Amino acid sequence: DVKVTQSSRYLVKRTGEKVFLECVQDMDHENMFWYRQDPGLGLRLIYFSYDVKMKEKGDIPEGYSVSREKKERFSLILESASTNQTSMYLCASSFAPSGTDTQYFGPGTRLTVL
Amino acid sequence: GENVEQHPSTLSVQEGDSAVIKCTYSDSASNYFPWYKQELGKGPQLIIDIRSNVGEKKDQRIAVTLNKTAKHFSLHITETQPEDSAVYFCAASKGNAGANNLFFGTGTRLTVIP
Repeated sequence: DVKVTQSSRYLVKRTGEKVFLECVQDMDHENMFWYRQDPGLGLRLIYFSYDVKMKEKGDIPEGYSVSREKKERFSLILESASTNQTSMYLCASSFAPSGTDTQYFGPGTRLTVL
Repeated sequence: GENVEQHPSTLSVQEGDSAVIKCTYSDSASNYFPWYKQELGKGPQLIIDIRSNVGEKKDQRIAVTLNKTAKHFSLHITETQPEDSAVYFCAASKGNAGANNLFFGTGTRLTVIP
Protein backbone atom coordinates (compact mmCIF):
# COMPACT_ATOMS: atom_id res chain seq x y z
CA ASP A 1 0.00 0.00 0.00
CA VAL A 2 1.07 3.52 -0.74
CA LYS A 3 1.95 5.43 2.36
CA VAL A 4 2.18 9.19 2.58
CA THR A 5 3.26 10.50 5.94
CA GLN A 6 3.30 14.03 7.26
CA SER A 7 5.63 15.10 10.02
CA SER A 8 3.01 16.50 12.38
CA ARG A 9 -0.72 16.05 12.86
CA TYR A 10 -1.08 19.28 14.83
CA LEU A 11 1.16 22.32 14.91
CA VAL A 12 0.83 25.65 16.72
CA LYS A 13 3.06 28.51 15.68
CA ARG A 14 3.27 32.24 16.29
CA THR A 15 2.90 34.98 13.72
CA GLY A 16 6.19 35.64 11.95
CA GLU A 17 7.71 32.25 12.65
CA LYS A 18 9.20 30.16 9.87
CA VAL A 19 7.29 26.90 9.55
CA PHE A 20 8.33 23.68 7.86
CA LEU A 21 5.82 20.98 6.95
CA GLU A 22 7.38 17.73 5.83
CA CYS A 23 5.90 15.01 3.66
CA VAL A 24 7.36 11.63 2.76
CA GLN A 25 6.03 9.00 0.36
CA ASP A 26 7.30 5.46 0.11
CA MET A 27 6.19 4.41 -3.38
CA ASP A 28 8.75 6.09 -5.63
CA HIS A 29 6.11 8.47 -7.00
CA GLU A 30 7.15 11.15 -9.45
CA ASN A 31 4.60 13.77 -8.46
CA MET A 32 4.04 15.36 -5.10
CA PHE A 33 1.56 18.02 -4.08
CA TRP A 34 0.68 20.37 -1.26
CA TYR A 35 -2.93 21.37 -0.76
CA ARG A 36 -4.68 23.58 1.70
CA GLN A 37 -8.13 22.55 2.95
CA ASP A 38 -10.54 25.12 4.37
CA PRO A 39 -14.25 24.72 5.17
CA GLY A 40 -16.41 25.70 2.23
CA LEU A 41 -13.41 26.06 -0.08
CA GLY A 42 -12.45 22.45 -0.65
CA LEU A 43 -8.88 21.55 -1.53
CA ARG A 44 -6.75 24.21 -3.15
CA LEU A 45 -3.38 23.44 -4.70
CA ILE A 46 -0.46 25.42 -3.30
CA TYR A 47 2.50 23.87 -5.13
CA PHE A 48 3.35 20.66 -6.90
CA SER A 49 6.52 18.96 -8.04
CA TYR A 50 6.93 16.46 -10.85
CA ASP A 51 10.60 15.72 -10.25
CA VAL A 52 13.41 16.31 -7.82
CA LYS A 53 14.29 20.00 -7.58
CA MET A 54 11.35 20.87 -9.85
CA LYS A 55 8.36 22.83 -8.62
CA GLU A 56 5.33 24.48 -10.10
CA LYS A 57 2.96 27.00 -8.56
CA GLY A 58 -0.58 25.94 -7.95
CA ASP A 59 -3.59 28.16 -7.41
CA ILE A 60 -2.55 29.81 -4.12
CA PRO A 61 1.27 29.92 -3.85
CA GLU A 62 1.51 33.32 -2.19
CA GLY A 63 3.20 33.16 1.19
CA TYR A 64 4.52 29.64 0.62
CA SER A 65 7.59 28.00 -0.85
CA VAL A 66 8.56 24.37 -1.34
CA SER A 67 11.61 22.18 -1.50
CA ARG A 68 12.17 18.79 -3.09
CA GLU A 69 15.74 17.64 -2.66
CA LYS A 70 14.91 13.94 -2.70
CA LYS A 71 12.28 12.09 -4.67
CA GLU A 72 10.45 10.81 -1.61
CA ARG A 73 10.32 14.08 0.33
CA PHE A 74 8.44 17.31 -0.34
CA SER A 75 8.54 20.18 2.11
CA LEU A 76 6.21 23.14 2.42
CA ILE A 77 7.70 26.28 3.93
CA LEU A 78 5.91 29.25 5.39
CA GLU A 79 8.62 31.91 5.47
CA SER A 80 6.75 34.14 7.90
CA ALA A 81 3.58 32.57 9.21
CA SER A 82 0.45 34.68 9.37
CA THR A 83 -2.92 34.05 11.01
CA ASN A 84 -4.62 33.62 7.61
CA GLN A 85 -2.44 30.58 7.05
CA THR A 86 -4.22 28.73 9.84
CA SER A 87 -5.58 25.72 8.00
CA MET A 88 -5.37 22.00 7.30
CA TYR A 89 -2.48 21.14 5.00
CA LEU A 90 -2.59 17.98 2.94
CA CYS A 91 0.28 16.38 1.07
CA ALA A 92 -0.31 13.97 -1.81
CA SER A 93 1.68 11.96 -4.32
CA SER A 94 0.98 10.24 -7.63
CA PHE A 95 2.93 7.86 -9.78
CA ALA A 96 3.35 9.39 -13.20
CA PRO A 97 3.07 12.84 -14.80
CA SER A 98 -0.40 12.25 -16.14
CA GLY A 99 -3.43 14.18 -15.04
CA THR A 100 -5.40 11.01 -14.56
CA ASP A 101 -3.25 9.29 -11.97
CA THR A 102 -4.66 8.61 -8.53
CA GLN A 103 -3.41 10.98 -5.88
CA TYR A 104 -2.61 9.43 -2.51
CA PHE A 105 -3.01 11.73 0.44
CA GLY A 106 -1.37 11.94 3.81
CA PRO A 107 -3.46 12.40 6.99
CA GLY A 108 -2.95 16.16 7.05
CA THR A 109 -1.34 18.69 9.37
CA ARG A 110 -3.62 21.09 11.18
CA LEU A 111 -1.65 24.30 11.56
CA THR A 112 -2.74 27.06 13.90
CA VAL A 113 -0.96 30.41 13.72
CA LEU A 114 -1.49 32.61 16.75
CA GLY B 1 -8.95 27.83 -15.31
CA GLU B 2 -11.33 25.07 -14.32
CA ASN B 3 -14.13 25.76 -11.85
CA VAL B 4 -15.85 22.84 -10.13
CA GLU B 5 -19.05 23.42 -8.20
CA GLN B 6 -20.45 20.80 -5.84
CA HIS B 7 -23.86 20.45 -4.21
CA PRO B 8 -25.16 19.99 -1.62
CA SER B 9 -22.63 21.03 1.01
CA THR B 10 -24.30 18.81 3.61
CA LEU B 11 -26.53 15.79 3.17
CA SER B 12 -28.25 13.63 5.76
CA VAL B 13 -29.93 10.36 4.85
CA GLN B 14 -31.41 7.44 6.70
CA GLU B 15 -29.47 4.22 6.65
CA GLY B 16 -30.49 2.19 3.63
CA ASP B 17 -31.56 5.20 1.59
CA SER B 18 -29.69 6.53 -1.44
CA ALA B 19 -27.49 9.61 -1.56
CA VAL B 20 -26.69 11.73 -4.61
CA ILE B 21 -24.00 14.38 -4.87
CA LYS B 22 -23.76 16.58 -7.95
CA CYS B 23 -20.91 18.51 -9.52
CA THR B 24 -20.57 20.80 -12.49
CA TYR B 25 -17.40 21.86 -14.27
CA SER B 26 -16.61 24.74 -16.56
CA ASP B 27 -13.78 23.59 -18.85
CA SER B 28 -15.01 21.39 -21.68
CA ALA B 29 -11.44 20.06 -22.08
CA SER B 30 -11.65 18.26 -18.73
CA ASN B 31 -11.73 14.53 -19.31
CA TYR B 32 -11.13 12.84 -15.97
CA PHE B 33 -13.46 13.02 -12.98
CA PRO B 34 -12.50 11.30 -9.74
CA TRP B 35 -14.37 11.19 -6.45
CA TYR B 36 -12.55 11.20 -3.13
CA LYS B 37 -13.85 10.26 0.31
CA GLN B 38 -12.38 11.84 3.42
CA GLU B 39 -13.10 10.15 6.72
CA LEU B 40 -12.60 11.96 10.00
CA GLY B 41 -8.92 12.46 10.78
CA LYS B 42 -7.74 11.06 7.47
CA GLY B 43 -6.70 12.35 4.10
CA PRO B 44 -8.98 11.98 1.06
CA GLN B 45 -8.99 8.61 -0.65
CA LEU B 46 -10.05 7.83 -4.21
CA ILE B 47 -13.25 5.79 -4.30
CA ILE B 48 -14.23 5.87 -7.96
CA ASP B 49 -13.43 7.78 -11.14
CA ILE B 50 -14.80 8.21 -14.63
CA ARG B 51 -13.27 9.27 -17.90
CA SER B 52 -15.01 11.27 -20.58
CA ASN B 53 -15.32 8.36 -22.97
CA VAL B 54 -17.94 6.67 -20.77
CA GLY B 55 -21.23 7.90 -19.37
CA GLU B 56 -21.56 5.72 -16.30
CA LYS B 57 -19.43 3.54 -14.05
CA LYS B 58 -20.47 1.36 -11.15
CA ASP B 59 -18.61 -0.30 -8.31
CA GLN B 60 -20.86 -2.21 -5.91
CA ARG B 61 -22.99 0.41 -4.11
CA ILE B 62 -21.28 3.37 -5.74
CA ALA B 63 -21.92 4.72 -9.22
CA VAL B 64 -20.88 7.81 -11.13
CA THR B 65 -22.59 9.35 -14.12
CA LEU B 66 -21.20 11.90 -16.54
CA ASN B 67 -23.03 14.22 -18.90
CA LYS B 68 -20.39 15.89 -21.07
CA THR B 69 -22.87 18.05 -22.92
CA ALA B 70 -24.20 19.59 -19.74
CA LYS B 71 -20.78 19.42 -18.05
CA HIS B 72 -21.98 17.75 -14.92
CA PHE B 73 -21.29 14.51 -13.12
CA SER B 74 -22.82 12.85 -10.09
CA LEU B 75 -22.00 10.33 -7.37
CA HIS B 76 -24.72 7.89 -6.37
CA ILE B 77 -24.49 5.78 -3.23
CA THR B 78 -27.19 3.17 -2.75
CA GLU B 79 -28.15 1.30 0.43
CA THR B 80 -26.18 3.75 2.54
CA GLN B 81 -24.47 2.53 5.69
CA PRO B 82 -23.11 4.45 8.70
CA GLU B 83 -19.56 3.90 7.44
CA ASP B 84 -20.45 5.94 4.35
CA SER B 85 -20.54 9.02 6.60
CA ALA B 86 -17.67 11.22 5.45
CA VAL B 87 -16.84 14.25 3.35
CA TYR B 88 -16.92 13.60 -0.38
CA PHE B 89 -15.03 15.65 -2.96
CA CYS B 90 -15.50 15.64 -6.70
CA ALA B 91 -12.69 16.78 -8.98
CA ALA B 92 -11.93 17.43 -12.63
CA SER B 93 -8.75 17.27 -14.66
CA LYS B 94 -7.68 17.81 -18.25
CA GLY B 95 -5.11 15.08 -17.86
CA ASN B 96 -2.19 17.13 -19.14
CA ALA B 97 1.12 15.36 -18.71
CA GLY B 98 3.39 17.19 -16.34
CA ALA B 99 0.56 19.12 -14.77
CA ASN B 100 -1.55 16.54 -13.03
CA ASN B 101 -3.78 19.30 -11.76
CA LEU B 102 -6.97 18.23 -10.14
CA PHE B 103 -9.54 20.92 -9.48
CA PHE B 104 -11.63 19.98 -6.48
CA GLY B 105 -15.18 20.84 -5.55
CA THR B 106 -15.93 22.31 -2.14
CA GLY B 107 -17.01 19.01 -0.59
CA THR B 108 -20.20 17.40 0.68
CA ARG B 109 -20.52 16.23 4.25
CA LEU B 110 -22.66 13.09 4.16
CA THR B 111 -24.23 11.84 7.38
CA VAL B 112 -25.94 8.46 7.40
CA ILE B 113 -28.36 8.21 10.29
CA PRO B 114 -28.66 4.68 11.74
